[in-house]
Amino acid sequence: EAGVVQSPRYKIIEKKQPVAFWCNPISGHNTLYWYLQNLGQGPELLIRYENEEAVDDSQLPKDRFSAERLKGVDSTLKIQPAELGDSAVYLCASSPGTDPSYEQYFGPGTRLTVT
Amino acid sequence: KQEVTQIPAALSVPEGENLVLNCSFTDSAIYNLQWFRQDPGKGLTSLLLIQSSQREQTSGRLNASLDKSSGRSTLYIAASQPGDSATYLCAVGIQGAQKLVFGQGTRLTINP
Repeated sequence: EAGVVQSPRYKIIEKKQPVAFWCNPISGHNTLYWYLQNLGQGPELLIRYENEEAVDDSQLPKDRFSAERLKGVDSTLKIQPAELGDSAVYLCASSPGTDPSYEQYFGPGTRLTVT
Repeated sequence: KQEVTQIPAALSVPEGENLVLNCSFTDSAIYNLQWFRQDPGKGLTSLLLIQSSQREQTSGRLNASLDKSSGRSTLYIAASQPGDSATYLCAVGIQGAQKLVFGQGTRLTINP
């Protein structure tokens, strides 16, 4: 069974440019998460989807960040415009549902560098 | 607000030693606790998941315990190997919010 797939793995952009990250969760996983991980820190939740609905986006900086999961499968996270402080690793995770017995499975992440 | 703390931030031990990594959390209203491993430049690999009703979980040389009342969890690694070198993260599942709150991690180095 394929794991969570993310692309690109690395991205370098200049500040003020737009950038997008893509995530394909494990097949059959209804719940999808985007996390932000700064260097030396643990991941922090940005947004959680249940199928195509964003049910928790309270930590998403909506002035510059947006996300979508149109068909309830893969998802895209966008930043426009990017700032120097956005340099971090963006992790996608999925789980079969939100039952507490379910584990979250993480992708390899996208490392963003803003210059 | 739930806060998760991991001590120590970094640990270096010789191969073969048994070791314990610590995780503490401020709010006992959790539904589970997960321990993850993260290799440099890689994503997170789940090691052990403990439900709030459980006291411990074991997988191979790893044993994780959970004491909700005191807000503590430990990850015990037996007979450490150089391949165990990685950053270990604990995360608690928040009741009602359906999300994980992570600690900052412990960077573990096993010296041959």
